[in-house]
Amino acid sequence: DAKTTQPPSMDCAEGRAANLPCNHSTISGNEYVYWYRQIHSQGPQYIIHGLKNNETNEMASLIITEDRKSSTLILPHATLRDTAVYYCIVRVASSNDYKLSFGAGTTVTVRA
Amino acid sequence: GAGVSQSPSNKVTEKGKDVELRCDPISGHTALYWYRQSLGQGLEFLIYFQGNSAPDKSGLPSDRFSAERTGGSVSTLTIQRTQQEDSAVYLCASSLAASSLGNTIYFGEGSWLTVV
Repeated sequence: DAKTTQPPSMDCAEGRAANLPCNHSTISGNEYVYWYRQIHSQGPQYIIHGLKNNETNEMASLIITEDRKSSTLILPHATLRDTAVYYCIVRVASSNDYKLSFGAGTTVTVRA
Repeated sequence: GAGVSQSPSNKVTEKGKDVELRCDPISGHTALYWYRQSLGQGLEFLIYFQGNSAPDKSGLPSDRFSAERTGGSVSTLTIQRTQQEDSAVYLCASSLAASSLGNTIYFGEGSWLTVV
């Protein structure tokens, strides 16, 4: 029972912004939106998370709609090293919410 | 170190042998988790530690699997009498204790286990 839906794949040109959508229409009021990515043969890498405000860090920006039913991860200047599977999950921000369900994610391929 | 550290990064073992996988969490993180991920599969939860206690062991697939944590820091996952179906990448993760500020789970690079 996936709580998020993401497109299976997308291509992006190197140097351009990559916009990754995620739908989470059943998100609860105390659940955050988290994004991770997994590069082949490596552990999941945390990218960013947010509750209802837009967030930005050195890796990416997260735009959450006002109704919180969807969000977009923005990689502002994609590089070849950003090629990975990107996962959007929702979870309560507590160490007790740890049975993470990553789903299939979006396979992002950055092309030169 | 700055991140979650796991060792060994790769392990090939013969069926029936025991293996130990080690995890060194981020300093100050009281919560520690073990997951495994088989090739092309999703994340499978194994066990959760809060300090040295394991309030949730529900994900351990059989009694051949056990884990301990000492000093509220390093954890060891032990698999006895390994079977071929145990082949997977074993991921350790850690986080701060429950927080209202957005508690993030950070993962290590994993230990790739191959049972031959």
